[in-house]
Amino acid sequence: QSALTQPASVSGSPGQSITISCTGTSSDVGGYKYVSWYQQHPGKAPKLMIYEVSNRPSGVSNRFSGSKSGNTASLTISGLQAEDEADYYCSSYRSSSLVFGGGTKLTVL
Amino acid sequence: EMQLVESGGGLVQPGRSLRLSCAASGFTFDDYAMHWVRQAPGKGLEWVSGISWNSDSVDYADSVKGRFTISRDNAKKSLYLQMNSLRAEDMALYYCAKDQYHMLSGDLDYWGQGTLVTVSS
Repeated sequence: QSALTQPASVSGSPGQSITISCTGTSSDVGGYKYVSWYQQHPGKAPKLMIYEVSNRPSGVSNRFSGSKSGNTASLTISGLQAEDEADYYCSSYRSSSLVFGGGTKLTVL
Repeated sequence: EMQLVESGGGLVQPGRSLRLSCAASGFTFDDYAMHWVRQAPGKGLEWVSGISWNSDSVDYADSVKGRFTISRDNAKKSLYLQMNSLRAEDMALYYCAKDQYHMLSGDLDYWGQGTLVTVSS
């Protein structure tokens, strides 16, 4: 079960927008609607930010949005804020297993 | 308030067994699938296992298949992970996580704080 591919790091200045990609295959990201994104601050449990490609759970800022094209899903954060600095993970459910991306460290400059 | 509280972690020798528990409160436990996800120190998230609301559907990562067993007791609002033949690579913080649906979807909308498993002689 290979991990989904994410960039190791991205960075942006406050107020800017950034996008984190998550590349899989037609057997996971490209073939299922269950693509999720999680935010994890150091020493904390992960938090669901986006589910089913583009849906935001209640309480998550509308600065966070998700999309998918083919085998690649994307998380976009607009209006970057200092508190957005964290690790971000994508995941996709595929044929009897859940697979995560390797994680992306977002640095807010 | 929704709560997931893991317990049962600790130091164990390679080849031995350990049973993790997760106590749920603040939601209707038997309406939702549940998962175990682990994170080795300084590493990313790795899904371990999931179980549907009624235990009819159970899935495992290849890395633990045949060694770990997930189960649940809806009457006790508890999730379990029996870990046998533990290896050094199983050392991690183990999270209990709630699925958004009764079947396994992978949309994990609530996580516990984790219990640490250390495998060392």
